[in-house]
Amino acid sequence: NAGVTQTPKFRVLKTGQSMTLLCAQDMNHEYMYWYRQDPGMGLRLIHYSVGEGTTAKGEVPDGYNVSRLKKQNFLLGLESAAPSQTSVYFCASSWQVGEQYFGPGTRLTVT
Amino acid sequence: AQTVTQSQPEMSVQEAETVTLSCTYDTSESDYYLFWYKQPPSRQMILVIRQEAYKQQNATENRFSVNFQKAAKSFSLKISDSQLGDAAMYFCAYWDTDKLIFGTGTRLQVFP
Repeated sequence: NAGVTQTPKFRVLKTGQSMTLLCAQDMNHEYMYWYRQDPGMGLRLIHYSVGEGTTAKGEVPDGYNVSRLKKQNFLLGLESAAPSQTSVYFCASSWQVGEQYFGPGTRLTVT
Repeated sequence: AQTVTQSQPEMSVQEAETVTLSCTYDTSESDYYLFWYKQPPSRQMILVIRQEAYKQQNATENRFSVNFQKAAKSFSLKISDSQLGDAAMYFCAYWDTDKLIFGTGTRLQVFP
């Protein structure tokens, strides 16, 4: 099993460009999450999903959109990238209650 | 709202010694879950240990154990026989209905 995978691993964007981060999990987990982690900081929840076709806002949702069309995939979109969105993005998945399993992260730089 | 507090931004320990990382949380629930995660320089988040609040026995995973004090809302992590590979950021987390609430983390340095 691959666990949780994220695509791409690195990306550089110019201000105003758009992009989509893909998260995939093969553990049949119901719940999936997107976090951002800024240097020296903890994890902040952007959006999450408690099942296929559902999404919910986390702590810092502004400037991001998500979709969960298939149970195994959770997409994070940036419509118009800003330098403040430079960060490392982590995806995670879990059963309904319990520990989350994390992907390796995507380092995004917006210039 | 539930909150998780890690009051030690940095800690250090010598190899083979024991270190304890502190975590406190605030909740009005009686049944809940608590976790410790490790983030080494590779950035990969790794689950270290999990505690279910209804279990009075403290969880243990090899050299890692917790001191769970429910009344005091305290959930500290003890690392015994510290190894160089234990150097990492450690995050305490509380399960809140459908998501985890993370603390701000403690950076652990291990000296030879």
